[in-house]
Amino acid sequence: EPEVTQTPSHQVTQMGQEVILRCVPISNHLYFYWYRQILGQKVEFLVSFYNNEISEKSEIFDDQFSVERPDGSNFTLKIRSTKLEDSAMYFCASSGQPDTQYFGPGTRLTVL
Amino acid sequence: GEDVEQSLFLSVREGDSSVINCTYTDSSSTYLYWYKQEPGAGLQLLTYIFSNMDMKQDQRLTVLLNKKDKHLSLRIADTQTGDSAIYFCAGLVPGAGSYQLTFGKGTKLSVIP
Repeated sequence: EPEVTQTPSHQVTQMGQEVILRCVPISNHLYFYWYRQILGQKVEFLVSFYNNEISEKSEIFDDQFSVERPDGSNFTLKIRSTKLEDSAMYFCASSGQPDTQYFGPGTRLTVL
Repeated sequence: GEDVEQSLFLSVREGDSSVINCTYTDSSSTYLYWYKQEPGAGLQLLTYIFSNMDMKQDQRLTVLLNKKDKHLSLRIADTQTGDSAIYFCAGLVPGAGSYQLTFGKGTKLSVIP
């Protein structure tokens, strides 16, 4: 069964460094998303992406964040200058129709 | 915006039924979902229901939707130890290109052998 994959599974970085989280969505899906889950808190929406552009973003998704689909298979989330409060589990999701989103296993980001 | 609330913990004996409850605030929620998260793993889509339905059954899972009370429940029949996980309720209010899911905090289901 097709699934969303994410790399790395765990990323440790120093405050102020840039990180890129990678996702490979399900191959025939057209809608892509990033969510995050800070430990002990709700899963929060960050951004959605369709037709090579951002379709919606939350207040969390400020200028430090960007997304890109550099080729036909990858979908990336970049954090330009990480802060301690960016430590969280980051989930990528994709959907063929926007009503059913399938999630990847997540990347745990730890900012020291 | 949408808010989704769930009780945080549920403990059941193996073989019993589990009922996990969820309330949501936005009556425009068109789709409601249940996701399962096992320790260290991602979010697995279990089932979902459209707002024009009252009930959906899928093997051991039964979803009930009470639109009047904005209440959603997930019943797991014959609960097994492998069902131990965190279960998230999520709602979707589509419109004007918005497809963000709003999640509850999750209910941790513990199954006692």
